[in-house]
Amino acid sequence: AQSVTQPDIHITVSEGASLELRCNYSYGATPYLFWYVQSPGQGLQLLLKYFSGDTLVQGIKGFEAEFKRSQSSFNLRKPSVHWSDAAEYFCAVGALDSGYSTLTFGKGTMLLVSP
Amino acid sequence: DAMVIQNPRYQVTQFGKPVTLSCSQTLNHNVMYWYQQKSSQAPKLLFHYYDKDFNNEADTPDNFQSRRPNTSFCFLDIRSPGLGDAAMYLCATSRGQTSNQPQHFGDGTRLSIL
Repeated sequence: AQSVTQPDIHITVSEGASLELRCNYSYGATPYLFWYVQSPGQGLQLLLKYFSGDTLVQGIKGFEAEFKRSQSSFNLRKPSVHWSDAAEYFCAVGALDSGYSTLTFGKGTMLLVSP
Repeated sequence: DAMVIQNPRYQVTQFGKPVTLSCSQTLNHNVMYWYQQKSSQAPKLLFHYYDKDFNNEADTPDNFQSRRPNTSFCFLDIRSPGLGDAAMYLCATSRGQTSNQPQHFGDGTRLSIL
């Protein structure tokens, strides 16, 4: 069965500084990978996804993520954080063989942005 | 805009009193999901429908039921809510046929139990 580890429960970043959120996955093949963001009291919004091809994927709101097969990682990055980026971020892995989307989520990383 | 809509946003019920949460979608997606999310935790899948085919997760309590009368609507019924059922309930949809489709989430219903 697939699993996702987000090793950082909380991260605090100064506004304007760069950001990297870590995600490691366990899966028997090349997985489908997703990053979602959740603002307080809201649902999850898709930031970006990786299926195949270019290992650096661009998403919304200036985020990008890089798939590294050798490290089983899919870290999320942003060069300059804005206060509005403060939220919880979930990495998820999707199974390949179910015929439709089945996601396993990590436990999330809460991003705090300091002035 | 096509979207996933959950009603109500906030629901308060009494211990043991049945409650129904609703979800509708304008995306015409085959698959609809219900997740439970407790504070500072990841969403936990309760069950999902692929069209009319119902799939229950093994550890979903019997207290939780779901109905999908048509493509657009899906309901979550909690027959006898306990204090431990207080949580955010998220509905999501995805297009079927392939497993690389992303899931689209509603804004959730926050359930409180008195």
